[in-house]
Amino acid sequence: GQQLNQSPQSMFIQEGEDVSMNCTSSSIFNTWLWYKQEPGEGPVLLIALYKAGELTSNGRLTAQFGITRKDSFLNISASIPSDVGIYFCAGHHPPGTYKYIFGTGTRLKVLA
Amino acid sequence: AAGVIQSPRHLIKEKRETATLKCYPIPRHDTVYWYQQGPGQDPQFLISFYEKMQSDKGSIPDRFSAQQFSDYHSELNMSSLELGDSALYFCASSLRGDQDYGYTFGSGTRLTVV
Repeated sequence: GQQLNQSPQSMFIQEGEDVSMNCTSSSIFNTWLWYKQEPGEGPVLLIALYKAGELTSNGRLTAQFGITRKDSFLNISASIPSDVGIYFCAGHHPPGTYKYIFGTGTRLKVLA
Repeated sequence: AAGVIQSPRHLIKEKRETATLKCYPIPRHDTVYWYQQGPGQDPQFLISFYEKMQSDKGSIPDRFSAQQFSDYHSELNMSSLELGDSALYFCASSLRGDQDYGYTFGSGTRLTVV
Protein backbone atom coordinates (compact mmCIF):
# COMPACT_ATOMS: atom_id res chain seq x y z
CA GLY A 1 0.00 0.00 0.00
CA GLN A 2 0.90 3.64 -0.04
CA GLN A 3 3.81 4.58 2.16
CA LEU A 4 5.25 7.89 3.12
CA ASN A 5 9.02 7.64 3.30
CA GLN A 6 10.87 9.97 5.60
CA SER A 7 14.54 10.74 5.64
CA PRO A 8 16.74 10.68 7.46
CA GLN A 9 15.54 7.84 9.70
CA SER A 10 17.40 9.32 12.64
CA MET A 11 19.60 12.29 13.41
CA PHE A 12 22.01 13.15 16.20
CA ILE A 13 22.77 16.85 16.25
CA GLN A 14 24.37 19.40 18.51
CA GLU A 15 22.23 21.93 20.32
CA GLY A 16 21.96 25.09 18.25
CA GLU A 17 22.24 23.34 14.89
CA ASP A 18 19.58 23.52 12.22
CA VAL A 19 17.72 20.36 11.21
CA SER A 20 16.14 19.37 7.91
CA MET A 21 14.02 16.36 7.18
CA ASN A 22 11.73 15.36 4.36
CA CYS A 23 8.84 13.14 3.45
CA THR A 24 8.17 11.68 0.02
CA SER A 25 5.34 9.78 -1.55
CA SER A 26 4.62 8.08 -4.85
CA SER A 27 1.15 9.66 -4.83
CA ILE A 28 -0.09 13.21 -4.80
CA PHE A 29 -1.31 14.55 -1.50
CA ASN A 30 -3.63 17.52 -0.99
CA THR A 31 -2.73 18.06 2.64
CA TRP A 32 0.49 17.51 4.53
CA LEU A 33 0.73 17.48 8.28
CA TRP A 34 3.79 17.32 10.50
CA TYR A 35 3.51 15.77 13.95
CA LYS A 36 5.97 15.35 16.81
CA GLN A 37 5.80 12.40 19.17
CA GLU A 38 7.58 12.20 22.50
CA PRO A 39 8.16 8.88 24.30
CA GLY A 40 4.98 7.37 25.68
CA GLU A 41 2.78 10.14 24.32
CA GLY A 42 0.51 10.63 21.35
CA PRO A 43 1.60 12.64 18.30
CA VAL A 44 1.10 16.39 18.56
CA LEU A 45 0.35 18.46 15.48
CA LEU A 46 3.08 20.98 14.59
CA ILE A 47 2.22 22.35 11.16
CA ALA A 48 -0.42 21.77 8.49
CA LEU A 49 0.07 22.53 4.78
CA TYR A 50 -2.69 22.82 2.18
CA LYS A 51 -1.27 24.20 -1.07
CA ALA A 52 1.59 23.19 -3.35
CA GLY A 53 4.53 25.48 -2.71
CA GLU A 54 3.14 26.70 0.61
CA LEU A 55 5.70 27.63 3.23
CA THR A 56 4.46 27.80 6.82
CA SER A 57 6.27 28.59 10.05
CA ASN A 58 5.53 27.80 13.68
CA GLY A 59 8.20 29.37 15.84
CA ARG A 60 11.52 27.75 14.98
CA LEU A 61 9.78 25.24 12.71
CA THR A 62 9.24 25.82 9.01
CA ALA A 63 7.55 23.37 6.67
CA GLN A 64 7.01 23.41 2.93
CA PHE A 65 4.51 21.66 0.69
CA GLY A 66 6.47 20.44 -2.33
CA ILE A 67 5.58 21.77 -5.77
CA THR A 68 5.00 18.27 -7.12
CA ARG A 69 2.61 17.60 -4.18
CA LYS A 70 4.52 14.39 -3.59
CA ASP A 71 6.82 15.68 -0.90
CA SER A 72 7.14 17.95 2.08
CA PHE A 73 10.02 19.32 4.13
CA LEU A 74 10.39 20.28 7.76
CA ASN A 75 13.16 22.48 9.08
CA ILE A 76 13.97 23.22 12.71
CA SER A 77 16.28 26.11 13.37
CA ALA A 78 18.60 26.50 16.37
CA SER A 79 17.65 23.16 17.90
CA ILE A 80 17.25 22.80 21.65
CA PRO A 81 17.18 19.68 23.84
CA SER A 82 13.37 19.64 24.02
CA ASP A 83 13.21 19.15 20.24
CA VAL A 84 14.06 15.50 20.91
CA GLY A 85 11.38 13.17 19.62
CA ILE A 86 10.05 11.46 16.53
CA TYR A 87 8.77 13.64 13.72
CA PHE A 88 6.11 12.20 11.47
CA CYS A 89 4.61 13.51 8.28
CA ALA A 90 1.03 12.53 7.52
CA GLY A 91 -1.40 12.88 4.66
CA HIS A 92 -4.89 11.82 3.67
CA HIS A 93 -4.83 8.52 1.86
CA PRO A 94 -6.58 7.54 -0.28
CA PRO A 95 -7.25 11.12 -1.40
CA GLY A 96 -10.67 12.31 -0.39
CA THR A 97 -10.86 10.07 2.68
CA TYR A 98 -10.84 11.30 6.21
CA LYS A 99 -8.04 9.09 7.46
CA TYR A 100 -4.39 9.94 7.60
CA ILE A 101 -1.45 7.69 6.95
CA PHE A 102 1.82 8.41 8.68
CA GLY A 103 5.35 8.49 7.41
CA THR A 104 8.10 6.24 8.69
CA GLY A 105 9.33 8.90 11.11
CA THR A 106 12.56 10.77 11.74
CA ARG A 107 14.05 10.27 15.18
CA LEU A 108 15.83 13.37 16.42
CA LYS A 109 18.30 13.45 19.28
CA VAL A 110 19.87 16.70 20.39
CA LEU A 111 23.18 16.66 22.21
CA ALA A 112 23.60 19.51 24.67
CA ALA B 1 -8.74 22.80 27.15
CA ALA B 2 -10.14 19.28 27.22
CA GLY B 3 -8.12 16.70 25.33
CA VAL B 4 -8.73 13.19 24.09
CA ILE B 5 -8.89 10.86 27.05
CA GLN B 6 -7.87 7.24 26.77
CA SER B 7 -8.16 4.56 29.39
CA PRO B 8 -6.46 2.64 30.70
CA ARG B 9 -2.96 4.08 30.14
CA HIS B 10 -1.37 0.69 30.62
CA LEU B 11 -2.79 -2.79 30.28
CA ILE B 12 -1.18 -6.18 30.68
CA LYS B 13 -3.01 -9.21 29.36
CA GLU B 14 -2.19 -12.83 28.74
CA LYS B 15 -2.37 -14.52 25.37
CA ARG B 16 -5.88 -15.45 24.29
CA GLU B 17 -7.43 -12.97 26.73
CA THR B 18 -9.71 -10.08 25.80
CA ALA B 19 -9.04 -6.37 26.21
CA THR B 20 -11.23 -3.29 25.93
CA LEU B 21 -9.73 0.12 25.30
CA LYS B 22 -11.77 3.27 25.78
CA CYS B 23 -11.55 6.67 24.14
CA TYR B 24 -13.34 9.88 25.06
CA PRO B 25 -13.01 12.46 22.28
CA ILE B 26 -12.77 16.21 22.67
CA PRO B 27 -16.25 17.63 23.36
CA ARG B 28 -18.13 18.39 20.10
CA HIS B 29 -15.83 16.17 18.05
CA ASP B 30 -17.94 13.69 16.11
CA THR B 31 -15.23 11.53 14.56
CA VAL B 32 -12.93 9.08 16.29
CA TYR B 33 -9.92 7.29 14.82
CA TRP B 34 -7.96 4.35 16.20
CA TYR B 35 -4.29 3.75 15.45
CA GLN B 36 -1.86 1.01 16.46
CA GLN B 37 1.83 1.78 16.90
CA GLY B 38 4.25 -1.09 17.33
CA PRO B 39 7.70 -0.58 18.87
CA GLY B 40 9.76 1.67 16.61
CA GLN B 41 6.96 1.85 14.06
CA ASP B 42 4.78 4.61 12.70
CA PRO B 43 1.11 4.71 13.71
CA GLN B 44 -1.03 2.40 11.59
CA PHE B 45 -4.66 3.30 10.98
CA LEU B 46 -7.13 0.72 12.28
CA ILE B 47 -10.64 2.13 12.02
CA SER B 48 -12.67 5.30 12.33
CA PHE B 49 -16.21 6.28 13.22
CA TYR B 50 -18.34 9.27 12.35
CA GLU B 51 -21.65 9.85 14.11
CA LYS B 52 -21.55 6.31 15.50
CA MET B 53 -21.11 4.71 12.08
CA GLN B 54 -17.89 3.15 10.82
CA SER B 55 -16.43 5.53 8.24
CA ASP B 56 -13.06 4.08 7.25
CA LYS B 57 -11.40 0.75 7.86
CA GLY B 58 -7.70 0.07 7.82
CA SER B 59 -5.54 -2.82 8.90
CA ILE B 60 -7.74 -3.93 11.78
CA PRO B 61 -7.60 -7.68 12.48
CA ASP B 62 -10.86 -9.63 12.48
CA ARG B 63 -10.23 -10.36 16.17
CA PHE B 64 -10.72 -6.66 16.90
CA SER B 65 -13.96 -4.74 16.82
CA ALA B 66 -14.86 -1.21 17.71
CA GLN B 67 -17.86 1.00 18.07
CA GLN B 68 -18.80 4.57 18.83
CA PHE B 69 -21.55 5.24 21.34
CA SER B 70 -24.26 7.89 21.53
CA ASP B 71 -22.04 10.09 23.72
CA TYR B 72 -19.35 9.80 21.00
CA HIS B 73 -16.94 7.82 23.12
CA SER B 74 -15.47 4.79 21.44
CA GLU B 75 -14.28 1.38 22.54
CA LEU B 76 -11.83 -0.95 20.84
CA ASN B 77 -12.44 -4.57 21.75
CA MET B 78 -9.63 -7.02 21.20
CA SER B 79 -10.12 -10.75 21.56
CA SER B 80 -7.85 -13.80 21.40
CA LEU B 81 -4.89 -11.55 22.10
CA GLU B 82 -1.57 -12.48 20.56
CA LEU B 83 1.94 -11.45 21.55
CA GLY B 84 2.12 -9.35 18.38
CA ASP B 85 -0.77 -7.21 19.59
CA SER B 86 1.56 -5.60 22.12
CA ALA B 87 1.66 -1.98 21.05
CA LEU B 88 0.59 1.56 21.80
CA TYR B 89 -3.01 2.14 20.79
CA PHE B 90 -3.94 5.73 20.07
CA CYS B 91 -7.30 7.27 19.69
CA ALA B 92 -7.71 10.61 17.95
CA SER B 93 -10.69 12.82 17.36
CA SER B 94 -11.77 15.59 15.04
CA LEU B 95 -14.84 17.44 13.90
CA ARG B 96 -16.01 16.19 10.47
CA GLY B 97 -15.16 18.98 8.07
CA ASP B 98 -12.16 20.04 10.16
CA GLN B 99 -10.12 16.90 9.55
CA ASP B 100 -7.83 18.83 7.19
CA TYR B 101 -6.59 20.60 10.29
CA GLY B 102 -5.40 17.29 11.67
CA TYR B 103 -6.56 15.17 14.51
CA THR B 104 -5.94 15.55 18.21
CA PHE B 105 -4.44 12.42 19.66
CA GLY B 106 -4.84 10.97 23.12
CA SER B 107 -1.86 9.83 25.17
CA GLY B 108 -2.48 6.23 24.20
CA THR B 109 -2.96 2.89 25.88
CA ARG B 110 0.12 0.70 26.13
CA LEU B 111 -1.00 -2.89 25.77
CA THR B 112 1.42 -5.63 26.72
CA VAL B 113 0.46 -9.21 25.93
CA VAL B 114 2.43 -11.82 27.85
